[in-house]
This record gives sequence, C-alpha cells and structure tokens, in this order.
Amino acid sequence: DVKVTQSSRYLVKRTGEKVFLECVQDMDHENMFWYRQDPGLGLRLIYFSYDVKMKEKGDIPEGYSVSREKKERFSLILESASTNQTSMYLCASSLRGQNQETQYFGPGTRLLVL
Amino acid sequence: AQTVTQSQPEMSVQEAETVTLSCTYDTSESDYYLFWYKQPPSRQMILVIRQEAYKQQNATENRFSVNFQKAAKSFSLKISDSQLGDAAMYFCAFYTGKLIFGQGTTLQVKP
Repeated sequence: DVKVTQSSRYLVKRTGEKVFLECVQDMDHENMFWYRQDPGLGLRLIYFSYDVKMKEKGDIPEGYSVSREKKERFSLILESASTNQTSMYLCASSLRGQNQETQYFGPGTRLLVL
Repeated sequence: AQTVTQSQPEMSVQEAETVTLSCTYDTSESDYYLFWYKQPPSRQMILVIRQEAYKQQNATENRFSVNFQKAAKSFSLKISDSQLGDAAMYFCAFYTGKLIFGQGTTLQVKP
C-alpha cells in the first residue's frame, strides 16, 4: 500500500514565523501535491511537483513556497505565517503516466496561526 | 472554469439503510476521471471509487456504487447497507490534468 506521511498532525505557530510542513511518500511516486482544506471550500491546490527540483504553482500559491530536493520528500514553506493560513494542509502523491490521476493522501497537518 | 458542486453539506442515514450523495461538475472536456474520496474524522483521506468518463458502465466497489450521467454531468455516490464506519466527509473530485474537489458532504450514520 502507498504510504504518505506528514511530519506533524497539529501545529501552532505565531504570525510572522517561518513554517515548514514536510511530506514523505514511500512508493517512488514522481508526482507530489500540496492542498489546503477549508470548510465549505473543499481542497484547493497550492503547489505540485512532477520531479525532483521541479515545482509548479497551483490555484492558490500566494504566501507559500515548496521544495523538492529528493523524490520522496516534498516540503511546503510558509515564509511568514499569517492568520489566514490557518487551515488543514494535505499532501498527496501519484505515479507519472498510467494511473497518474489517482492520488494518495497523507493524514493532514492542522495548522493554527495565532 | 471547471467546477465540482456538492449541494448537500450534510446528510444522515440510518444504519443498514441506503443513502445517495450528489455531485455535479462542469467541464468542456470529453476525457476525464471522476472520484469519490472518504475522509473519516481525524483520519486519512482514502479513495472510495473511481470512474473513467469514457466508460458507460457505472463503477462499483462492494457497497459503494455510482450513478454516472455524462450528459447531465452528474456523478452521485450510493452507499448501500450503511455502516457506522461509513460516517465521514465525502468529497467528489474531477480530474483532467489536475484534481478539482467539491465542497464535501458530511455523512452521519445513526445506529
């Protein structure tokens, strides 16, 4: 089974802090994604990556950056956290090519910015 | 713009009964995939069922089945013989190069 793990289930940070959310997958997937989940809005794509060192903006990239130094690891960075970034963050991964449309999700990190 | 709409924020069903969750989508594409994902409280989101748009036959996975109406752009999920473990938030999603999610439907299962 695909396993996607995220470094923290819950995080509390102060406004202005730099925040790192880590995601690791163990199935050699090429594609990795970061979403945020908010009530009434579903999941929205922040950034994604199809390969090491590669990144693409999703629908709501403002205020975020990402890093993919290794194939299995995809990090989401909040350079200066703000209260409107309080949310649930979900990481996902998928294969490249056949079955690339099926994504596997991590457990999520619930971030509270005070 | 491609959108997915789940018009039922909350649903409830009696244990052992059947419930249908609604989903509509909007796209001009002809080739795409549709999904239902389940997110139990405080637990990982998992794939429930997957449908390729080019297949007319509705997908089925055990107690879960879909009613895919391509012309109407409708993709509803039917859960038969509901169990307490089915209580979760359910997301409908649509894929044509990226996943687009609906707002989610919270399903409560009453014993």
